[in-house]
This record gives sequence, structure tokens and C-alpha cells, in this order.
Amino acid sequence: EPEVTQTPSHQVTQMGQEVILRCVPISNHLYFYWYRQILGQKVEFLVSFYNNEISEKSEIFDDQFSVERPDGSNFTLKIRSTKLEDSAMYFCASRGVGGPYNEQFFGPGTRLTVL
Amino acid sequence: GENVEQHPSTLSVQEGDSAVIKCTYSDSASNYFPWYKQELGKGPQLIIDIRSNVGEKKDQRIAVTLNKTAKHFSLHITETQPEDSAVYFCAAHTPAAGNKLTFGGGTRVLVKP
Repeated sequence: EPEVTQTPSHQVTQMGQEVILRCVPISNHLYFYWYRQILGQKVEFLVSFYNNEISEKSEIFDDQFSVERPDGSNFTLKIRSTKLEDSAMYFCASRGVGGPYNEQFFGPGTRLTVL
Repeated sequence: GENVEQHPSTLSVQEGDSAVIKCTYSDSASNYFPWYKQELGKGPQLIIDIRSNVGEKKDQRIAVTLNKTAKHFSLHITETQPEDSAVYFCAAHTPAAGNKLTFGGGTRVLVKP
């Protein structure tokens, strides 16, 4: 069964450093998402991406964040200068065509720890 | 924007009993409501979903009901088994909001053998 994969599973970084979280969505999917989950809190939407551009972003997704689909298979989330409060589990999701009722498939997540 | 509230935050049931999780949403434009199960160390996995033009949907031991007027929806798990132990999230999809999902706070379900 096709699945969304994410690397690394755990990333530890120093405050102020740049991190890139990587995702490989399901191959025929066209809609991509990043969500995050701070420990013990809700899963929060960060950004959606379609046709090589951002279609929606939350207020969390400020100028420190960027997304890219560099090679047609990977989908990355970059945090330019990490802050302590960026520590969270980051989930990538993808969705196929056929309308919004199609399932968003989630990856296993990357746990980001900012020290 | 959309706000989803979920209750209870924890639920402990005896194996074989039923479990019910309730969610409310705020945006009447929301039209799709998936439920996700998250096991330890894994991402959320869809277990059942319902569209706004349907009042109830069932899949084996799980069922979801939707009351559009009251803006609430519920997950029902019957004949619970230890492998049902996980965190369950409800979510709402709002068409005008970029097809994002707004999640509830999650319910940690523990099924005691």
C-alpha cells in the first residue's frame, strides 16, 4: 500500500539554526500539506501546496517557514531560524485528485527538538 | 475560522464495551468530517469519514453520526478490543479554507482487557 514517508524521524537542532524536514508524498497525489503537533496539543495546519504554489497558510506559517517541491517527488519544509517554540512533531500529508473528500494520507512525522 | 472541540480528552473502557467520542464545530460551511486514529510513534490514519449530506455512516465496529443543525458529530466504537487503544482525532474540512483540516484536541482511548 502506498504511503507518505518522512525523514528524519527525529531532528535535534540549536536555536537559530536552519532545518529542512523532508517528505515523499504518495506518487500520484497532487495536494500536499504540512501540519504540526506540539506535545499534548492539537494537530495544527501549517500550509497547503498545489500546482507548485502555496494555496493556503496559517498564521503560524510566517516568514521563517518555506516549502518547496524541488524535484517532483520530495516536498520539504524549511525553518530558517528555529525557535524553542518550534519544537513539535511535524506531519506531512498528501491527497489525490477527485475533490476535497479524498483522504489526506499522513506520514509518520518528524519530531523536531530545538535546544 | 473553524474551531473544533472534542470530548472527552481521555476515555477508559472495558474490553467489549462501547466507546463514544463527541466533537462540535463552529463553521456551518464545513462539509466533510474525517476521524483519525493515531498510534504511538505513527502519523494519524483515517478510520472513517462522513460528508455533510449524510447523517450516519457505519463500517464494521465503528460508526459516525453527524447533526448539521447542532454542528456536532460523534464516533462510536462497539465491542472494543485492546488494539483500539490509541488517540483519536476528529477533524472538519472547510471548502473556503484551502482544503485544510481543522482538528479537535484528541481523545486518548484505553481499552482494558
